[in-house]
Amino acid sequence: DAGVIQSPRHEVTEMGQEVTLRCKPISGHNSLFWYRQTMMRGLELLIYFNNNVPIDDSGMPEDRFSAKMPNASFSTLKIQPSEPRDSAVYFCASSGSNLPKQFFGPGTRLTVL
Amino acid sequence: KQEVTQIPAALSVPEGENLVLNCSFTDSAIYNLQWFRQDPGKGLTSLLLIQSSQREQTSGRLNASLDKSSGRSTLYIAASQPGDSATYLCAAPHIKAAGNKLTFGGGTRVLVKP
Repeated sequence: DAGVIQSPRHEVTEMGQEVTLRCKPISGHNSLFWYRQTMMRGLELLIYFNNNVPIDDSGMPEDRFSAKMPNASFSTLKIQPSEPRDSAVYFCASSGSNLPKQFFGPGTRLTVL
Repeated sequence: KQEVTQIPAALSVPEGENLVLNCSFTDSAIYNLQWFRQDPGKGLTSLLLIQSSQREQTSGRLNASLDKSSGRSTLYIAASQPGDSATYLCAAPHIKAAGNKLTFGGGTRVLVKP
């Protein structure tokens, strides 16, 4: 298995632009998580999906952030409009229904100028 | 609200020395306690998972213990090697949290000097 796949690996954009991050979970996993990691705040859970349905989005910082999971093999995290304080590494992780371990993707390093 | 703390934030040891990494959590109502490793510029790799009913888990040179009553977990790495240099994070899903929602500690950055 290729593991969790994220794209792009690096994204540099200007303030105000729309940013879309993509994630393909491990095949067969039914839970998907989006995290954000910064030096100041560490690793924070943004949103969690189970069977393609958003279960807990209490970590989404504000309305500029949105996430979708149209099917079991694809999810997106969108920031519109982006701001410099959104600069961080965004990780996607997945886990199976009977497997509490979460498997992380390599992350997307976002820089908003 | 669950809070997870890791002390120290950074640790430097000579090769061959045993490593002891500490993790504390404020609410003992957890499903399990997980330890991850993160290399610079990379994602997290799961190392060990201790179920709430267990006291410890071992994998090779790694041993993790769990004491729910005191809200502590310890990761031991025996005979450290330069390849063990990384950031180690612990995380715990709260029983009342939806699904497998993890709360992470800030991590301990480890440097093993040859």
